[in-house]
Amino acid sequence: KAGVTQTPRYLIKTRGQQVTLSCSPISGHRSVSWYQQTPGQGLQFLFEYFSETQRNKGNFPGRFSGRQFSNSRSEMNVSTLELGDSALYLCASSSGTLATSSYNEQFFGPGTRLTVL
Amino acid sequence: GESVGLHLPTLSVQEGDNSIINCAYSNSASDYFIWYKQESGKGPQFIIDIRSNMDKRQGQRVTVLLNKTVKHLSLQIAATQPGDSAVYFCAENLTGGGAQKLVFGQGTRLTINP
Repeated sequence: KAGVTQTPRYLIKTRGQQVTLSCSPISGHRSVSWYQQTPGQGLQFLFEYFSETQRNKGNFPGRFSGRQFSNSRSEMNVSTLELGDSALYLCASSSGTLATSSYNEQFFGPGTRLTVL
Repeated sequence: GESVGLHLPTLSVQEGDNSIINCAYSNSASDYFIWYKQESGKGPQFIIDIRSNMDKRQGQRVTVLLNKTVKHLSLQIAATQPGDSAVYFCAENLTGGGAQKLVFGQGTRLTINP
């Protein structure tokens, strides 16, 4: 079974630009979560999507947005990039149903390394 | 790699020794706790989890202990191997409104000395 894939793996942008990152979850998984990893703040939750709807959101400014498609693939967008947005952006997928337990294991992709100059 | 400049607690152990990595969590409402391993250039990889109503859970060469009184979590790795060198994160799972999110700890860099 293929794992979570993220594209591109590396990206360099300049301040003020916008960027779109893509995540393909494990086949059959309907939930996709995004995390930002930086040296200063560690791993922080951005948002979670399930069946094309945002179910949960972290404490990030409105410049960070996302969406999910009917095939469960997800994209996140960062507009008006700032230097502090340089980070590793991780996507995680899970079954997301929360039907039989309150926890579904999340499987992480390799991440997209974004550098803002 | 992505960990350059990251001020992590570090732990160095000799190959073959046991390692204990500690973590403090903050939210009493967390229902699951998970340990992840992250190697350079890769995303976090699931190691083991424990439900909040348990005190101990064992896996292959790993044991997780949960002390809810002091909100403390530990990961014990038996007979460490070179491949265990990585950054280890604890995470608490928060569930609400049909959704879940992970809140990660700072991480500990484990180095295995030959």
